[in-house]
Amino acid sequence: QKEVEQDPGPLSVPEGAIVSLNCTYSNSAFQYFMWYRQYSRKGPELLMYTYSSGNKEDGRFTAQVDKSSKYISLFIRDSQPSDSATYLCAMSGKAAGNKLTFGGGTRVLVKP
Amino acid sequence: GAVVSQHPSWVICKSGTSVKIECRSLDFQATTMFWYRQFPKQSLMLMATSNEGSKATYEQGVEKDKFLINHASLTLSTLTVTSAHPEDSSFYICSARGRGGQGGTDTQYFGPGTRLTVL
Repeated sequence: QKEVEQDPGPLSVPEGAIVSLNCTYSNSAFQYFMWYRQYSRKGPELLMYTYSSGNKEDGRFTAQVDKSSKYISLFIRDSQPSDSATYLCAMSGKAAGNKLTFGGGTRVLVKP
Repeated sequence: GAVVSQHPSWVICKSGTSVKIECRSLDFQATTMFWYRQFPKQSLMLMATSNEGSKATYEQGVEKDKFLINHASLTLSTLTVTSAHPEDSSFYICSARGRGGQGGTDTQYFGPGTRLTVL
């Protein structure tokens, strides 16, 4: 079993819909949780950063972390075709060696 | 802020030659830089971690004599693929972690990647 599980998709939604992404993990040492967006043949771009449990909102993006369930989510409101990309969850923690552990990525396609 | 560049973005080389990839943090000092490898439709695989002025720490299964890493300054790290072979063809991505920058000290900022094709 992988440390971080993420549905590979593809997830296809119509423009304007809410995109809902999530990851589950097994290592309780993770404290920092991130979501990255990666376009084809580009490096990952940091979207959201959350420390420990809770919600964080930034524009159209909302990140949620539930450490008790070992479950994190990313919601994208009013999705646009330009949001079509692969979304990677990542997490780290001092007790986990401070290295990022990535999910496999979910490919999202927003159709106009 | 927090911009990381990589050079070159794309390189083709003959089998047996060596290729150097540069990673620079443009607007912050990177105490730690990371090198990843990514195959098509797969997630990033960490190859090694380098701290400025010290030897890199390689992940299990990564040949340190083949993938030479130098972190010469707080803004520059290089990855040299020595005696490259077709199986080394991949997308190589670096990331940099600064000192208490945006998002905290655990946040990594990624470069745009370098596509290596070995003929």
